[in-house]
Amino acid sequence: NAGVTQTPKFQVLKTGQSMTLQCAQDMNHEYMSWYRQDPGMGLRLIHYSVGAGITDQGEVPNGYNVSRSTTEDFPLRLLSAAPSQTSVYFCASSYAGASYNEQFFGPGTRLTVL
Amino acid sequence: AQTVTQSQPEMSVQEAETVTLSCTYDTSESDYYLFWYKQPPSRQMILVIRQEAYKQQNATENRFSVNFQKAAKSFSLKISDSQLGDAAMYFCAYRRRGSARQLTFGSGTQLTVLP
Repeated sequence: NAGVTQTPKFQVLKTGQSMTLQCAQDMNHEYMSWYRQDPGMGLRLIHYSVGAGITDQGEVPNGYNVSRSTTEDFPLRLLSAAPSQTSVYFCASSYAGASYNEQFFGPGTRLTVL
Repeated sequence: AQTVTQSQPEMSVQEAETVTLSCTYDTSESDYYLFWYKQPPSRQMILVIRQEAYKQQNATENRFSVNFQKAAKSFSLKISDSQLGDAAMYFCAYRRRGSARQLTFGSGTQLTVLP
């Protein structure tokens, strides 16, 4: 199993550009989430999904869109990038079964918005 | 809303010594999970240890153990026999039982291990 994969690993955007961060998992996990990590603030939840076709907002959803058309993929879209979105982005997934199941994290995408 | 606080931005420990990282949290829930994650320079998030709130016994994983004080809402991590490979950022995290795995993280503690 590849686990949770994220592409790209690094990205530089100009203000106003749009892009999609890709996240895929091959473990047939129902739950998937996106977090952003900023210096001194830990990870904060952007959006999450409990299954294909179902998404919901987390703590910091503004400026981001998500969709979940398949179990495997959970892309994060930045419609009009802003410097405040410069961050490291992590995707995570887990089983919906027993509540103690841990989350598996991807390797992260470092995004810089100029 | 729940919050997680790590009041030690940086800590250091001598190799082979013991260090304790502090974490406090605030929640109105009675059933939840607490976690410690390790993030080395590679950025990978690695689960170190997990505590279920309804269990009174403190969790232990090899050299890592926790001191869980539910009434005080405190959840500290003790690393015994510290090794150079333990150097990393450590995050404390909370999750409500029954949630869709959404985690609330603290701001992290950067641990340096001195040879």
